[in-house]
Amino acid sequence: GAGVSQSPSNKVTEKGKDVELRCDPISGHTALYWYRQRLGQGLEFLIYFQGNSAPDKSGLPSDRFSAERTGESVSTLTIQRTQQEDSAVYLCASSLGYSGTAGYTFGSGTRLTVV
Amino acid sequence: AQSVTQPDIHITVSEGASLELRCNYSYGATPYLFWYVQSPGQGLQLLLKYFSGDTLVQGIKGFEAEFKRSQSSFNLRKPSVHWSDAAEYFCAVAPRGNLIFGQGTTLQVKP
Repeated sequence: GAGVSQSPSNKVTEKGKDVELRCDPISGHTALYWYRQRLGQGLEFLIYFQGNSAPDKSGLPSDRFSAERTGESVSTLTIQRTQQEDSAVYLCASSLGYSGTAGYTFGSGTRLTVV
Repeated sequence: AQSVTQPDIHITVSEGASLELRCNYSYGATPYLFWYVQSPGQGLQLLLKYFSGDTLVQGIKGFEAEFKRSQSSFNLRKPSVHWSDAAEYFCAVAPRGNLIFGQGTTLQVKP
């Protein structure tokens, strides 16, 4: 597609439930990144994919968080047993390569609210 | 560890006044450097980036930034601010590829 697409745009879930967030990167972009942005704060790096492998998962906050990617296409970020502190905007970005020079295109994010 | 510091959490300027947003980074070598803007309810938009070469970089919307190696800084500037510039501004570095962001600076523009 023309841009990075994320769905849903908004998600309200009850504490303890599992949620799946989806990211559809720009076609041909091999690198895909997930970030979390809590209210009033900067962006925290969660995980990145090069193709369908995830060389850097260092930012995942706990084992309740996991992500997968199918080939060089869609990625899903799953949060199990959601907690209130998981409430945030989850942003996805993609780029042509993992070098920084290719530039990054961000989606509009999924706003997750855990009640 | 690599890090980015934006010392000013909130800045208010009058419309038409000049603007400078500060950014300092911590990294052993020269990383790739970026400035992004996030308007309310909008995604992140790239303003400009620095990889190498001329240390003064021109971006969109009349913004520019200057890389100063000796100060490990990459400050964003605009000569004359418009009301539509009110937004959150993020400095970021890409030491290995994934972006590391600063905490952001909120810009308020007074009429």
